[in-house]
Amino acid sequence: AQKVTQAQTEISVVEKEDVTLDCVYETRDTTYYLFWYKQPPSGELVFLIRRNSFDEQNEISGRYSWNFQKSTSSFNFTITASQVVDSAVYFCALSRGAAGNKLTFGGGTRVLVKP
Amino acid sequence: EPEVTQTPSHQVTQMGQEVILRCVPISNHLYFYWYRQILGQKVEFLVSFYNNEISEKSEIFDDQFSVERPDGSNFTLKIRSTKLEDSAMYFCASSPTSGRAGSGELFFGEGSRLTVL
Repeated sequence: AQKVTQAQTEISVVEKEDVTLDCVYETRDTTYYLFWYKQPPSGELVFLIRRNSFDEQNEISGRYSWNFQKSTSSFNFTITASQVVDSAVYFCALSRGAAGNKLTFGGGTRVLVKP
Repeated sequence: EPEVTQTPSHQVTQMGQEVILRCVPISNHLYFYWYRQILGQKVEFLVSFYNNEISEKSEIFDDQFSVERPDGSNFTLKIRSTKLEDSAMYFCASSPTSGRAGSGELFFGEGSRLTVL
C-alpha cells in the first residue's frame, strides 16, 4: 500500500521568508513518481512538479525548489522569498510507475503568507 | 492550452436525489479519473477509467456511484441517492500516458462542488 504523510498541517510565515514543506512517502514499488500540487483558495489543483524514483537530482524552478532524498523517503518542497500569492494548500502525491496513474495524496499543508 | 472542463461548478441537491457530474477530458488523453475532496481534507481517489471500462476503484466507490463515457468526449460521474456525507468537491482528471513507459501528470479540472442538504 502507498502512503504519503505531510506532518505540517499549517505553516504561517511573513512575506519574503523561506518556507519548507515536508513530505514523507511509503511504497513497495521500485518505480514510482512523486508530485506536488498547489490548491489556491479558488479550489483548483495546480500541478507543480513530477519526479521519478530514479532521478534524485534536486530541482529549482524560480522561487520553488525540491529536495528528493530516496534514503529517507522524503520529497520536500521549499518556497524561497515567499509572497502573499503563495498562500494555498500544498499537496504531495505519489503514484505507481506501473500501469495506472492513481495518485495517493498526502493530507496537505496550508501555507499562509502574511504581508 | 487544452484543459479539463467540469460542469456544474456547484450543485446543491436534496438528500436522496441523483446527481450527475460532467467532465470533458483533454481530447487525446487515454485515462480518466474522479477524485473527491471533502472540505478541509485530503484529495481521495475514487475511480480510474480506460478503454471504456473501470480500471481501478477505491473502497469509496460503491454501488452508489457509476461512471460512463457516453459519447466519446464526456466523462460522467453519477451518484445515486445522495447522502449528506457525499458533500464534497469532485475533481475530474485525465492523463495521456500510463504503463511502464512512464507516469504522466494528471490534468485536473477545476472541480464540481456538491452540497447535499
